[in-house]
Amino acid sequence: GNSVTQMEGPVTLSEEAFLTINCTYTATGYPSLFWYVQYPGEGLQLLLKATKADDKGSNKGFEATYRKETTSFHLEKGSVQVSDSAVYFCALNDYKLSFGAGTTVTVRA
Amino acid sequence: DAGVIQSPRHEVTEMGQEVTLRCKPISGHDYLFWYRQTMMRGLELLIYFNNNVPIDDSGMPEDRFSAKMPNASFSTLKIQPSEPRDSAVYFCASSPNSDTQYFGPGTRLTVL
Repeated sequence: GNSVTQMEGPVTLSEEAFLTINCTYTATGYPSLFWYVQYPGEGLQLLLKATKADDKGSNKGFEATYRKETTSFHLEKGSVQVSDSAVYFCALNDYKLSFGAGTTVTVRA
Repeated sequence: DAGVIQSPRHEVTEMGQEVTLRCKPISGHDYLFWYRQTMMRGLELLIYFNNNVPIDDSGMPEDRFSAKMPNASFSTLKIQPSEPRDSAVYFCASSPNSDTQYFGPGTRLTVL
């Protein structure tokens, strides 16, 4: 079946550091891929998405590219801020969403 | 534009009691999802509806759990009887097309 594997955390960074969270997927078809973010005490929010191979999703300085050849959708941000501290979930959607385990990111001032 | 609304935000109950969680999806969204989030198991899909009809309930853990969607603007998730292992955060999400989902703030359930 479909599944998502993402980098285990927690990840702790200093402000302005570069962030990468690895995500790989297994799917029988060509699903849409997503990154969701969950801030403390809140629900999940869509951060970005890509619907087909080589698409790049971007939002709030975050980027991820749908790589069919490596079945990956790694999340990157060039310069993180304290406000980026959250849990990040990679997900794929075939006919329903399958989520990764989540990666906790803490950014220190 | 209001997002997905869930109530209550917090619920504390005793083992054996009935618990009802409520969700109002975004107007016009045809899909509604119920998820459970725990530290041990992460985010699990319990059930989802399309046009008020349950499509996949394979994630519902056992018969103590039931979900209904009597109309396009309201859904409930009921646990009867509740057990301590049901303690979790329960999320409702809605979607216009089953692709991008919009999550509510969640209900934190504690069963003592």
